[in-house]
Amino acid sequence: SYELTQPPSVSVSPGQTASITCSGERLGNKFASWYQRKPGQSPVLVIYEDTKRPSGIPERFSGSNSGNTVTLTISGTQGMDEADYYCQVWDTSTGIFGGGTKLTVL
Amino acid sequence: QVQLVESGGGVVQPGKSLRLSCAASGFSFTSYGMHWVRQAPGKGLEWVAVIWYDGSNKYYADSVKGRFTIFRDNSKNTLYLQMNSLRVDDTAVYYCARDREEQLVRQPLGYWGLGTLVTVSS
Repeated sequence: SYELTQPPSVSVSPGQTASITCSGERLGNKFASWYQRKPGQSPVLVIYEDTKRPSGIPERFSGSNSGNTVTLTISGTQGMDEADYYCQVWDTSTGIFGGGTKLTVL
Repeated sequence: QVQLVESGGGVVQPGKSLRLSCAASGFSFTSYGMHWVRQAPGKGLEWVAVIWYDGSNKYYADSVKGRFTIFRDNSKNTLYLQMNSLRVDDTAVYYCARDREEQLVRQPLGYWGLGTLVTVSS
């Protein structure tokens, strides 16, 4: 079965740029989405189709897809961005989530 | 305003059944694919099942295939998950989610409910 691999944790200082990666076979042939999940809240879609931001998502969130890796980048990271982040793709008609990355803003 | 409200969670013994519901409002329910996603304690998100906007197809994660059934009642704007032969490792918060765009498939999950907790324990 298809798998997506994310680093368990990423740390960043306020105001700096955070990058969270997600890798999988032939990932460049799929569209990836990213979800933010804060404690006690439901997940929120922050990036879809690799690079697109839903309305209401700050411009500091961006995405890219290259080869077998997709990357979520948060520029000028703020304390409110501290959360778990999950990548997600469709493998034929089955949804696949990465294991999640805990972003800590130190 | 899109609203998804899950219900039906609770404590159930291994091997028993449970049915979850998700009441949808604020959008044209029949135009959107709907999903169930779960998160076990201390674990990450796990996609469980999808039903296409027109109900023509349903797909499941391998971990629940043959035990869980997703279905929808468009007259009641409600999504369901029938869970049979429950196992301890099915313990999780179950979220209902909606496709981001209407009348398309393999969409990002654009809206999520608050979830309902299912605990499988003897």
